Formats: sequence, C-alpha cells, structure tokens
Amino acid sequence: GESVGLHLPTLSVQEGDNSIINCAYSNSASDYFIWYKQESGKGPQFIIDIRSNMDKRQGQRVTVLLNKTVKHLSLQIAATQPGDSAVYFCAENSNGNKLVFGAGTILRVKS
Amino acid sequence: KAGVTQTPRYLIKTRGQQVTLSCSPISGHRSVSWYQQTPGQGLQFLFEYFSETQRNKGNFPGRFSGRQFSNSRSEMNVSTLELGDSALYLCASSLTGTSGYQETQYFGPGTRLLVL
Repeated sequence: GESVGLHLPTLSVQEGDNSIINCAYSNSASDYFIWYKQESGKGPQFIIDIRSNMDKRQGQRVTVLLNKTVKHLSLQIAATQPGDSAVYFCAENSNGNKLVFGAGTILRVKS
Repeated sequence: KAGVTQTPRYLIKTRGQQVTLSCSPISGHRSVSWYQQTPGQGLQFLFEYFSETQRNKGNFPGRFSGRQFSNSRSEMNVSTLELGDSALYLCASSLTGTSGYQETQYFGPGTRLLVL
C-alpha cells in the first residue's frame, strides 16, 4: 500500500525561553533512553541519556525526565539558543544495541 | 579522538545495482550498528556487529547484509537496489556493546544513497 510520510511535530520557541520536547515510548521493558539532536545534513548527535533506575538527569542546559508509569520521556532545554534548532529524537533500548527511535520533533528557535 | 566516519558521503545508483557502504568506528569501539533513515519510516535499525559477528538484526529483507572486520570497521551491502532503498544510511559505534548493558551509540554523518 501507499506509505504515509512521517509528519513531524514542530515546536517554535523564542530565543532565551525554555523548551520542552516530549516523547512517548512503546516498550515497557526498555531500560535505557537517549536523546539525540540531528541538524540538517548531519548524523544524530548524542545529547543526554538516562537509565530506568532514574527519573531525572541533568546535563549542561539540558534535563531529561523519565516517567515509567506512563512511558513518557521529556527533554528540557534551558535558555534556548538559535544553535539548538534541529530535529530531536528520543530513542529507547531494551535489547543490546538495538535502538528504537521516535518520529522526532522539529525545534525552531526564533531570534 | 576522531568520530565515526562513513564513506562515501553521497552515492547515486540505478535500480538493480548493488552498493557497498563503509563505516569506521571511533577508535577503541568494537560494536557497530547500522540504521536506515527515510522521511516515510524515520530511523530504523538494520543490524549490529560485534567481534566480526552479526549480533542483532532488524526487519529488513535479505538484500541488506553487512560484515565487520578484525579492526572493527564495518561494511554494509545492498543488492538488487530498489527505488525505496533511497535513504540516509547511518552507522553508529559503541565501546563494547556488552549484551545486557546498553552503551551510548555515537553516529557518523551518514551516506546519502539515491536510487534512480
């Protein structure tokens, strides 16, 4: 049958504001989660990860929150900058090194 | 430390041909995974190699194959190319890929394949 292209959600934020990108994961057995950033023409770049024995982890300007009860992951970016504009993917891992990726969210930062 | 490198970066082939893509992992990394990225299906896992053995495989037809060399470099091959194989092919490496303990995978820039 005809394939349906992925329609990525878009988040538009003003420079300096905080951004929150959400992700629903599918496998309750997943125990490792990663956020990647992908800029045009480049491969996914690691941002931050979290294991299932944690519910929050902070990095530089980024925080990942994990809610296993509702299988939800979020990425918070503080003081969003134009260089943060990209597509953001969450990925879950329950089996060795096989990552299952979400569809992605486009982040647009307005100056 | 140099990142994951992939060659070639761009490739144009015609239907029915075959193609080989190459990936050099980060120095010291022994696990290499391959992913296909398309606008329609997103990022999908192809397979993973560790110690020259395929350890995990996604849901792709047998036309997609790969191998890993003793220096951890990896190649993937697609035979009898179809129009739908047009995609960005991404390689990712991780340190040991020890089964049961997930490690961060670092991606290369990808090879953009266009099938005409």
